[in-house]
Amino acid sequence: GAVVSQHPSRVICKSGTSVKIECRSLDFQATTMFWYRQFPKQSLMLMATSNEGSKATYEQGVEKDKFLINHASLTLSTLTVTSAHPEDSSFYICSARWLAGTDTQYFGPGTRLTVL
Amino acid sequence: QKEVEQNSGPLSVPEGAIASLNCTYSDRGSQSFFWYRQYSGKSPELIMSIYSNGDKEDGRFTAQLNKASQYVSLLIRDSQPSDSATYLCAGRNAGGTSYGKLTFGQGTILTVHP
Repeated sequence: GAVVSQHPSRVICKSGTSVKIECRSLDFQATTMFWYRQFPKQSLMLMATSNEGSKATYEQGVEKDKFLINHASLTLSTLTVTSAHPEDSSFYICSARWLAGTDTQYFGPGTRLTVL
Repeated sequence: QKEVEQNSGPLSVPEGAIASLNCTYSDRGSQSFFWYRQYSGKSPELIMSIYSNGDKEDGRFTAQLNKASQYVSLLIRDSQPSDSATYLCAGRNAGGTSYGKLTFGQGTILTVHP
């Protein structure tokens, strides 16, 4: 149990385009999901906390208009990187909190974004 | 000062040895702690969670928590080359507005050599 999927696993896009990443909890309901970004050889950096049915809470320094988060259901959250630029190239990872179960965060497999 | 700090690596141990990974935290409000393993190019995978003082064992892994000393550790017995990865320590504050947000350490790279 406690499986989280992400789609796509890898995306390459041109500068200026927008990219949507989906995060799904497959076998549990997640009222809270988290979005992280990880640059090579660095630790995870939390970008935002996403709660079902409400606005996301962004960490300091993360532009909410650039990284749009929608958590429309208890099993799906999406991150849209708008007008992507090469510096947005990174490994984006979501996690979902299984509050009713183990009360632990489970991570998706990640999405590697490359902006040309 | 970082809220969660891990002992600087990389850590290298021979196959079959015990690997000891350490973590300290500064937020006394942190109630729950987690160890994740991350292979290169992959996302973190949960290994252990620990909520109470003392030891918690799961197979070859033992997590230890000492809230008075604000110290968390992970012991890996009979280390295998497949254990080679980055190990992330994370703490969670029980505060109501945090929604279970985790604070991660910088990670310790473990290499188990044959």
